Amino acid sequence: GENVEQHPSTLSVQEGDSAVIKCTYSDSASNYFPWYKQELGKRPQLIIDIRSNVGEKKDQRIAVTLNKTAKHFSLHITETQPEDSAVYFCAARVVNAGNMLTFGGGTRLMVKP
Amino acid sequence: KAGVTQTPRYLIKTRGQQVTLSCSPISGHRSVSWYQQTPGQGLQFLFEYFSETQRNKGNFPGRFSGRQFSNSRSEMNVSTLELGDSALYLCASSLQLHIPDTGELFFGEGSRLTVL
Repeated sequence: GENVEQHPSTLSVQEGDSAVIKCTYSDSASNYFPWYKQELGKRPQLIIDIRSNVGEKKDQRIAVTLNKTAKHFSLHITETQPEDSAVYFCAARVVNAGNMLTFGGGTRLMVKP
Repeated sequence: KAGVTQTPRYLIKTRGQQVTLSCSPISGHRSVSWYQQTPGQGLQFLFEYFSETQRNKGNFPGRFSGRQFSNSRSEMNVSTLELGDSALYLCASSLQLHIPDTGELFFGEGSRLTVL
């Protein structure tokens, strides 16, 4: 089955700096890659996603890049703010596997004011 | 529009007991998935239901089961509880079976189960 690895497990940055989280996946049949943000005690919420026919997608301060050949994708957050502090999860979905997502282990991002 | 609702939010059980968790998806959503979240294992897929049928199943023992009703509400059951079953159980709903074509996966707040 699909396996998703995520790095780093913790990331501390100064407010205003950029943060990058990287994920690799194993199944070349994966075609959808969402990123979820989970604040302490809250539900995971989708922040951005990318499909396998797109190499990059941007939404304000957040961007995701996908390299299908290398089977890795990354989340980039620019101009970080204290409210960006949370756990971020990457995930992958294999084509024809319904809505089943395989998640990475998560990255705890801390933005210091 | 109400979000995904899970009940109960917190519960404590002892080893050997069984537990039933409930999930009401967003109105109009027909797909319901369940995930187990633990500090050590992260988010792991349990199973997915669509039109009252289990469509996918993760690598969990048979003690974990679920079902979906005609109104799309879903329940999951864990029998013969073990200490390792302590976790946050998250339910997620989607419009149809195949995201992202029909929208994202929306998570509930979860049911936190503690097994003593």
